[in-house]
Amino acid sequence: QSVLTQPPSVSAAPGQKVTISCSGSSSNIGKTFVSWYQLLPLTAPKLLIYDNDKRPSGIPDRFSGSKSGTSATLDITGLQTGDEADYFCGSWDSSLNVVIFGGGTKLTVL
Amino acid sequence: QLQLQESGPGLVRPSETLSLICTVSGGSITNIDSYWGWVRQPPGRGLEWIATIYYTGTPHYNPSLKSRLTIAVDTSQNQFSLRLNSVTAADTAVYYCARRECSDISCVFDHWGQGTLVSVSS
Repeated sequence: QSVLTQPPSVSAAPGQKVTISCSGSSSNIGKTFVSWYQLLPLTAPKLLIYDNDKRPSGIPDRFSGSKSGTSATLDITGLQTGDEADYFCGSWDSSLNVVIFGGGTKLTVL
Repeated sequence: QLQLQESGPGLVRPSETLSLICTVSGGSITNIDSYWGWVRQPPGRGLEWIATIYYTGTPHYNPSLKSRLTIAVDTSQNQFSLRLNSVTAADTAVYYCARRECSDISCVFDHWGQGTLVSVSS
């Protein structure tokens, strides 16, 4: 069982917006930064968001992140079929002294 | 462009040792802001951080795996490695190597290898 909690799946139609949540606690999200990753089969995972809301170069602004208290969200607007993937949030837990990830959310673009 | 590539056996027998190497290209493993790590994903499950190392050799292990782990760096080859001993079926996973880039305020896995599936089976 993952320290960070994500919904197992979300879905939306092309062009629509989807929000993926990531819930943690005061020893992780509540204390430090959140990052988001996209996993596609047979490809290297891609960093989408770091420091809660920053995008690496090359990541389109359709992807945005935010954090409030002990939870974080990843928003994806203008959904494309190519966005179908697994999405993971990540952080650091100061009590466990480990890097932690969510259980992952499978995005389906209907 | 920084690239990482995992290599190693795809099948390991139970109770034996899993050994993987990550080769870094397009950048130096001695970059002062970079740590190097391993993350795995068992089938149908989430990501699990395994270990991280700095180029000077200072390791940081996941406590749940620490007793079975060794991570090392070879600066002459621009590689780092993972050894996990006494493996069981629960260690079957896709193993990723990744760079953990650290700023003054945070660290993040910003470059990843494409992963290698390691199955533990007799």
